[in-house]
Amino acid sequence: GAGVSQTPSNKVTEKGKYVELRCDPISGHTALYWYRQSLGQGPEFLIYFQGTGAADDSGLPNDRFFAVRPEGSVSTLKIQRTERGDSAVYLCASSILAGETQYFGPGTRLLVL
Amino acid sequence: AQKITQTQPGMFVQEKEAVTLDCTYDTSDQSYGLFWYKQPSSGEMIFLIYQGSYDEQNATEGRYSLNFQKARKSANLVISASQLGDSAMYFCAMRGVRGSNYKLTFGKGTLLTVNP
Repeated sequence: GAGVSQTPSNKVTEKGKYVELRCDPISGHTALYWYRQSLGQGPEFLIYFQGTGAADDSGLPNDRFFAVRPEGSVSTLKIQRTERGDSAVYLCASSILAGETQYFGPGTRLLVL
Repeated sequence: AQKITQTQPGMFVQEKEAVTLDCTYDTSDQSYGLFWYKQPSSGEMIFLIYQGSYDEQNATEGRYSLNFQKARKSANLVISASQLGDSAMYFCAMRGVRGSNYKLTFGKGTLLTVNP
């Protein structure tokens, strides 16, 4: 079956601009996670959704970052006033239930110039 | 807080040989889960194997096995009969088992190169 998909695969933007990153989880998976992976590092947790609600957003670095999952399926990570330090790969994962094995998408590579 | 340490930035192995990738962890939780993921150059994180903290047997999945030593807080990945396609970054990760601990905490990874 189809895995987790993420769009766009690459995004180049200018400092100060707004970006939206989309994640389409595996069908039927109720839990969805966002991670950020900087060069040479392991992924770092940003936010986790159970259904439509954000169950844990403790990893969001500041209030420029926001994520939604309005219908409990597709999620959008929104970054306002982008900074060069936001450049990273943004990974989305889903699991059938919270606490089960997480399956990752291919990521969105964000470059802020 | 949970912490994962992978001390090997890079490892080399000959094709068809076995290789062990090290992972140690730190947590105050009594119950937790340990994972290994593979990340090829394409960037996608591929789930390999899972070990629960209360599992008595070491996990195995095909050519992958997890050498779990709870007292030493280690969860090393063993890949048998290495193949050229095994060349990739490998990440060890930990997850708690209560609500807010469902997030994964990753190590920095080990870059495995399989030589022909």
